[in-house]
Amino acid sequence: NAGVTQTPKFRVLKTGQSMTLLCAQDMNHEYMYWYRQDPGMGLRLIHYSVGEGTTAKGEVPDGYNVSRLKKQNFLLGLESAAPSQTSVYFCASSYGWGQTAFFGQGTRLTVV
Amino acid sequence: AQRVTQPEKLLSVFKGAPVELKCNYSYSGSPELFWYVQYSRQRLQLLLRHISRESIKGFTADLNKGETSFHLKKPFAQEEDSAMYYCALSPAAGNKLTFGGGTRVLVKP
Repeated sequence: NAGVTQTPKFRVLKTGQSMTLLCAQDMNHEYMYWYRQDPGMGLRLIHYSVGEGTTAKGEVPDGYNVSRLKKQNFLLGLESAAPSQTSVYFCASSYGWGQTAFFGQGTRLTVV
Repeated sequence: AQRVTQPEKLLSVFKGAPVELKCNYSYSGSPELFWYVQYSRQRLQLLLRHISRESIKGFTADLNKGETSFHLKKPFAQEEDSAMYYCALSPAAGNKLTFGGGTRVLVKP
């Protein structure tokens, strides 16, 4: 029972490089979320999805893109990484509104 | 816009003392409210939900719609309660799950 799995766990990027973070869930959840966690800022919502093929912007979407081509996967892309995107990224999923969200283990990204 | 505020960044208490984590929200409708916890080196996990009205690990939370608060309480803190706690809101309309800034709890022996 894997739950929510994020790939990779750690990554160091140079400014301007691109990368994709993968989130996979095996619970048949409709909703998926991407958050970033920064000291003193808590969890801030980047993008979310309420079903396969749909995405929506959260609080801090600039510099990120997402795709939900398959129900079980939610990809977060950084087209041109900046040092301000150094953070810990968390993916989460839930059945729907008001339901418990299950989290991945996090991805620690450093942009130098 | 919905917002969740946790005014305390750090709470330090002695083992056996009561602990209360404050959570205030702004939302005009009837939201669903949660407390999530992140223990050291572990992923975030649900601690409790408003709708279930249950006590988990001795913690309870009361929704006060008049004060728009959902404070988390435990009468006797234990060392294993040391963790990061997040209050979260799921709105009645729309699908954004919004978190507060988090409160770090340190329970000293």
